[in-house]
Amino acid sequence: DTGVSQDPRHKITKRGQNVTFRCDPISEHNRLYWYRQTLGQGPEFLTYFQNEAQLEKSRLLSDRFSAERPKGSFSTLEIQRTEQGDSAMYLCASSLVIGAGEDTQYFGPGTRLTVL
Amino acid sequence: AQSVTQPDIHITVSEGASLELRCNYSYGATPYLFWYVQSPGQGLQLLLKYFSGDTLVQGIKGFEAEFKRSQSSFNLRKPSVHWSDAAEYFCAGGSNYKLTFGKGTLLTVNP
Repeated sequence: DTGVSQDPRHKITKRGQNVTFRCDPISEHNRLYWYRQTLGQGPEFLTYFQNEAQLEKSRLLSDRFSAERPKGSFSTLEIQRTEQGDSAMYLCASSLVIGAGEDTQYFGPGTRLTVL
Repeated sequence: AQSVTQPDIHITVSEGASLELRCNYSYGATPYLFWYVQSPGQGLQLLLKYFSGDTLVQGIKGFEAEFKRSQSSFNLRKPSVHWSDAAEYFCAGGSNYKLTFGKGTLLTVNP
């Protein structure tokens, strides 16, 4: 049973560059979530998908951020024109929700972004 | 607004001692409640969850948590801590889709 995987695990970039992260959820999971975690804090919700539809975006997700899940499987999170404040751990999670059932989110190892 | 509070930033216990990590929530209705553990530089591992029913829930690695509606709490307990339990622990509350996390409690285990 493979868990949630994320790639890359670490990314160092210069301010102003674009970066893209990938998340592969647990097979058959219909929901996929992105969170951001800064040092000393708990993860904060960014956005989530139900299959390929993006259903909710946090106001933390500025116009420079875009997420996609084109075929309802893997997802990408792109940050354009990175800023030093974007430095954080980006966590992906997935879950299988049927109807109004329980939603248990399983997390990947995260991608740590450092913006110089 | 929904919130989850972990009052203790850092706790130190001796190996073999009992452990209780505190979590308080503020939600309009009873949320789903979770405990996750995070080792340095790693993602979050689910320890246990509460949706409804029995208020004492068992999790992995010998952990348990008790939901107390009257105190708006969901404290995590372990009767005997092992050195490998040293990590950061996060309590989270959810409703429908979004999890709201506390700031975490860092657990140090002394030999």
